[in-house]
Amino acid sequence: DTGVSQDPRHKITKRGQNVTFRCDPISEHNRLYWYRQTLGQGPEFLTYFQNEAQLEKSRLLSDRFSAERPKGSFSTLEIQRTEQGDSAMYLCASSLVMPGSGELFFGEGSRLTVL
Amino acid sequence: DAKTTQPPSMDCAEGRAANLPCNHSTISGNEYVYWYRQIHSQGPQYIIHGLKNNETNEMASLIITEDRKSSTLILPHATLRDTAVYYCIVRGENNAGNMLTFGGGTRLMVKP
Repeated sequence: DTGVSQDPRHKITKRGQNVTFRCDPISEHNRLYWYRQTLGQGPEFLTYFQNEAQLEKSRLLSDRFSAERPKGSFSTLEIQRTEQGDSAMYLCASSLVMPGSGELFFGEGSRLTVL
Repeated sequence: DAKTTQPPSMDCAEGRAANLPCNHSTISGNEYVYWYRQIHSQGPQYIIHGLKNNETNEMASLIITEDRKSSTLILPHATLRDTAVYYCIVRGENNAGNMLTFGGGTRLMVKP
């Protein structure tokens, strides 16, 4: 399978614990995006990378959230001291740099439940 | 990027054409119209995009009005597997990050 893969697909954790999600983009794609989606809502942009550089972060990305893409390939999204409001689907997407175009390819998502 | 307005839900009979409307009255000249869909428990999937001209691919057709203030996504022969939330998104060339801003979308229910 050459699509975007995310791991784990499901995570249940207790409030206050740290969690980390991993995203492996399509191999030749140099852009990687993280989105969050709560029930009944459309995905909301969190942050994106071009290669290893994190170029933009949404105001939704609080200090408890950190994302990395150390070698410009896979990325991790860590949430520290989780809260019940962090329960959501975390989606990763990748694309090639194409101004005005360049479709995003999404993974299946990592669903987080904070008890 | 311009905002879009879509009906929250629509029904379509299996085998019939599904016509999903989208209003984007504030669209500017360099902004593209994108359509994505999200089947339950999956990530969003790209369908089609266009600037001014109508576009067609193996999944759907995109009809953009001459003034570009609205568009329609057409699924010519809807199947049960087309049941999903369909998102209309406007994105401009000035959007350096090529981010997509999703609204609420239209929940399409294809019925037998």
